[in-house]
Amino acid sequence: EDQVTQSPEALRLQEGESSSLNCSYTVSGLRGLFWYRQDPGKGPEFLFTLYSAGEEKEKERLKATLTKKESFLHITAPKPEDSATYLCAVQEGASGGSYIPTFGRGTSLIVHP
Amino acid sequence: NAGVTQTPKFRVLKTGQSMTLLCAQDMNHEYMYWYRQDPGMGLRLIHYSVGEGTTAKGEVPDGYNVSRLKKQNFLLGLESAAPSQTSVYFCASSYMVGAYEQYFGPGTRLTVT
Repeated sequence: EDQVTQSPEALRLQEGESSSLNCSYTVSGLRGLFWYRQDPGKGPEFLFTLYSAGEEKEKERLKATLTKKESFLHITAPKPEDSATYLCAVQEGASGGSYIPTFGRGTSLIVHP
Repeated sequence: NAGVTQTPKFRVLKTGQSMTLLCAQDMNHEYMYWYRQDPGMGLRLIHYSVGEGTTAKGEVPDGYNVSRLKKQNFLLGLESAAPSQTSVYFCASSYMVGAYEQYFGPGTRLTVT
């Protein structure tokens, strides 16, 4: 069973059509949850880190939120340049853990003009 | 700062050949990682290092070896390449243990025929 599950696998939006991406996790004791953006043919690029339930962070049209079981990446009025794959990674903070983040499989977002 | 760089960017190998992928970072990070990314599988950790002279196995270590002789470099070796190792390989680094984000290189696209 995956520790980190992202949904949907793919999402197509029209420009300006707001939506949310989901990242659910099952680790015990969250140390940090990370969101990355990956453009085709490039390496992932860091967006946000969330540490505790209730925390929110924003960057331009993106807002990330965190609960005890999942995180959402809200995209408000998206533009075609927001098209990318969005990856979620979770770092477990339980005693004896290696502190190595576990990645979800990503959500591929396409925003049509 | 160049960040994380990877050499080469592309490579085609024949089954049974060997090669080494080089990763370099100029951010003085302690942690370095090697991932492979395959369609529908997300990022899977091959090996990682928590400091100069250390290495540890990740999720999919078979068929790969690594070395971290210098803090800024992390080498990934394939001793006898197999078609199943056709993938895109990403190197990443992070500051230290704890909820620190990872910085990724641009990737190496490897094809084994």
